[in-house]
Amino acid sequence: SQTIHQWPATLVQPVGSPLSLECTVEGTSNPNLYWYRQAAGRGLQLLFYSVGIGQISSEVPQNLSASRPQDRQFILSSKKLLLSDSGFYLCAWSVRGRDTQYFGPGTRLTVL
Amino acid sequence: AQKVTQAQTEISVVEKEDVTLDCVYETRDTTYYLFWYKQPPSGELVFLIRRNSFDEQNEISGRYSWNFQKSTSSFNFTITASQVVDSAVYFCALSEASDSGYALNFGKGTSLLVTP
Repeated sequence: SQTIHQWPATLVQPVGSPLSLECTVEGTSNPNLYWYRQAAGRGLQLLFYSVGIGQISSEVPQNLSASRPQDRQFILSSKKLLLSDSGFYLCAWSVRGRDTQYFGPGTRLTVL
Repeated sequence: AQKVTQAQTEISVVEKEDVTLDCVYETRDTTYYLFWYKQPPSGELVFLIRRNSFDEQNEISGRYSWNFQKSTSSFNFTITASQVVDSAVYFCALSEASDSGYALNFGKGTSLLVTP
């Protein structure tokens, strides 16, 4: 069966510090991968998606970047965090060509 | 542009009551997909159901049922005989095929509280 992991689960970082969040999927190959952010107020916003290694598309301009160095690994990064980067970050995967997305446990990021 | 509206921000019911969560969507596409996800306090989004735009048949899964009506652009979710474990935030979402591989457009969610 497929599983998706995210780490860390929680993170508190000072403004201006770098960020690296990792997401890995097991039990499937060539998945589509997604990063979402859920800010206060509950709305979920798509940040990045990837249909293959090295292929990253951004949905909104921001202080963040994403990379996919391996087929089942998706990384969310920032060189300098802003207060507005605080939120709950969710990684998701779907079978290539399929629409249903399955989410990881999320990382709660607080920028102080 | 796609849009999903969940007008109910919060709902509070007593255990064993039935509750319906509303979802209204907007899209110009003839092919699209509708979803419901549950977000318990732990935060993880749990997939509940998927419907494509060509399948208006309602579905029942245990105490859960879904009513999809294209005529009113609605995809409502009913929990029968609610339980405390149903307390969570529920999201309705819409997607269409695109370069983003079916990116999900979420509503703002409905927070359901079921009290004993």
